[in-house]
Amino acid sequence: DSGVTQTPKHLITATGQRVTLRCSPRSGDLSVYWYQQSLDQGLQFLIHYYNGEERAKGNILERFSAQQFPDLHSELNLSSLELGDSALYFCASSGTGTTEAFFGQGTRLTVV
Amino acid sequence: GQNIDQPTEMTATEGAIVQINCTYQTSGFNGLFWYQQHAGEAPTFLSYNVLDGLEEKGRFSSFLSRSKGYSYLLLKELQMKDSASYLCAVRDGDKIIFGKGTRLHILP
Repeated sequence: DSGVTQTPKHLITATGQRVTLRCSPRSGDLSVYWYQQSLDQGLQFLIHYYNGEERAKGNILERFSAQQFPDLHSELNLSSLELGDSALYFCASSGTGTTEAFFGQGTRLTVV
Repeated sequence: GQNIDQPTEMTATEGAIVQINCTYQTSGFNGLFWYQQHAGEAPTFLSYNVLDGLEEKGRFSSFLSRSKGYSYLLLKELQMKDSASYLCAVRDGDKIIFGKGTRLHILP
């Protein structure tokens, strides 16, 4: 158990809908990273938050947004969903001065 | 730009040694990670290199050459449970960028 919690584990929704994925980092970790992993694809970096502030963006679609709250949990919002958004979405957390990022178990999103 | 390359698939025999290579071209560099990922599961951390040289951790070792933009992960005494994808990742400032991963198949 990495200590990073993601909910829900599975999500099935229709095209055009909006969903929110939630991530609770390890206790004391200030950084949260979000990644998308499509079938047989690598981890695509979406966004990084540190202590409530956005620090870096990857190839994140305009339909996607994220935020990190004062209690350090983070949410990834996906809107106007398309079939191609079906993927595993991972969040990872790391602390100040630490090196590695610890991953949650992921949310499997299926858009039908 | 950012580019991290690793072989798509490799096959090795139980008990043998395998080396998985990774080359990278990134705008910045603050360290290189190796992760293991079983299908449908979360990546788990294996190693971290920030300086040139070899880091050994049990059956796994990782090497880095910053001047060549090159790293490898060496797995010894392969076991069936080592069948997984191995992901090379570079910390570039506030981003951690992953390669597409190398799927390792272990034959008995």
